[in-house]
Amino acid sequence: DTEVTQTPKHLVMGMTNKKSLKCEQHMGHRAMYWYKQKAKKPPELMFVYSYEKLSINESVPSRFSPECPNSSLLNLHLHALQPEDSALYLCASSREYEQYFGPGTRLTVT
Amino acid sequence: GIQVEQSPPDLILQEGANSTLRCNFSDSVNNLQWFHQNPWGQLINLFYIPSGTKQNGRLSATTVATERYSLLYISSSQTTDSGVYFCAVERGTSYDKVIFGPGTSLSVIP
Repeated sequence: DTEVTQTPKHLVMGMTNKKSLKCEQHMGHRAMYWYKQKAKKPPELMFVYSYEKLSINESVPSRFSPECPNSSLLNLHLHALQPEDSALYLCASSREYEQYFGPGTRLTVT
Repeated sequence: GIQVEQSPPDLILQEGANSTLRCNFSDSVNNLQWFHQNPWGQLINLFYIPSGTKQNGRLSATTVATERYSLLYISSSQTTDSGVYFCAVERGTSYDKVIFGPGTSLSVIP
C-alpha cells in the first residue's frame, strides 16, 4: 500500500479564520513533507519532518505552522492567511528517497 | 542551488504516438524521480531512477547520471496519459530538499 491521505479535499477560509490541514500515512515512512503548488507551476517545498522532528523549513511565513504528532500524522495549521496563499497543498512521505504524494487540499482564501 | 530543466514545455500528441521527455540537471544528484500529475492534481510516482534504465508497461525511463540528464519515453500514448510530467531531483542524503523541474504539459488527443 502506497497511500497518503489528505483532508479536507477542498477548503475555503477567510483571512481571519484558523483552520488545519491533515495528512496521514501508514507505510512506516520516517519523513513527511508539505508542498505548496500554484497553478501551472511545480510543487514548492515548505517543510520536511524526519523522525518526527522538523528538519527543513523553507523560510515559510509564520502564518503556516506545521505539526507532526506522531510518525503517521502531519498537520498544517493555518492562521491569518492572505489571498495569495490560495493554492494546492500537497503532503508527501518517504522511506528513504522515493516520495509518495497525497491527493492534495485545494485551499481558497477569501 | 541545483537547476532542473525540462523539455519540451508543452506537447500535443495524437493517440497512439510515441514521445520522449527530457530532464537536465546542473549538478550530481542522489535521487531522481519522474511523476505524472493528472488533471485532478494527484501526483503519481512513475519511476525512481537515479541511474540506469527502467520499464513499466508503455513507459520507460533512462538516467545518465554522468551526463546529468534523464529521459522518459511514452509509447502508444493514450488520452489518460494527458497531464503534467515532472522530474524531481535530490542532491543530498535522504529526507533532503527535493527540487522539481518546471514540467512538461502533455495533451493526448483522440
